[in-house]
Amino acid sequence: EPEVTQTPSHQVTQMGQEVILRCVPISNHLYFYWYRQILGQKVEFLVSFYNNEISEKSEIFDDQFSVERPDGSNFTLKIRSTKLEDSAMYFCASSRRRNNEQFFGPGTRLTVL
Amino acid sequence: AQTVTQSQPEMSVQEAETVTLSCTYDTSESDYYLFWYKQPPSRQMILVIRQEAYKQQNATENRFSVNFQKAAKSFSLKISDSQLGDAAMYFCAYRSNLLSGGGADGLTFGKGTHLIIQP
Repeated sequence: EPEVTQTPSHQVTQMGQEVILRCVPISNHLYFYWYRQILGQKVEFLVSFYNNEISEKSEIFDDQFSVERPDGSNFTLKIRSTKLEDSAMYFCASSRRRNNEQFFGPGTRLTVL
Repeated sequence: AQTVTQSQPEMSVQEAETVTLSCTYDTSESDYYLFWYKQPPSRQMILVIRQEAYKQQNATENRFSVNFQKAAKSFSLKISDSQLGDAAMYFCAYRSNLLSGGGADGLTFGKGTHLIIQP
């Protein structure tokens, strides 16, 4: 069964460093999403992406964040200058169409020291 | 903006018993989707069940069923014959029906209910 994959599973970085989180959505899906979950808190929507552009973003998704689909398979989330409060689990999701079910990846745990 | 509230931080149930997890939501939209996601210790988010707001019939998936009360804006999850593998965080989530002109791509989640299964 096709699934969303994410790498790395755990990333440790120093405050102020740039990180790139990678996702491979399900191959025939057209809509891609990033969510984050700070430990012990609820899952929060960051951004959605379609046709090589952002279709929606939340207040959390400020100028420190960017997304990209550099090739036909990967979907990345970049944090330019990480802060301590960026420590969280980051989930990628994809859906076949905009209104379809979103399938989640296993997440990347980001730890900022 | 939509909000989702899960008032039970933790629930405990004996194996093979039935448990109901509560969820309420607030929205001004008339057409939307509601979901229950399961998050086991592995942290992966797994869709358990979904409900379209325009459907009056409650969704059912094997041992999982929902009680959807649109007027009350309530969406509870019932797990029958609880199994040890059901132990997880359960999140209720809302999403606009985009085909009806709803605005939000992203899911809005509640804070979750930690379900413990007692053997």
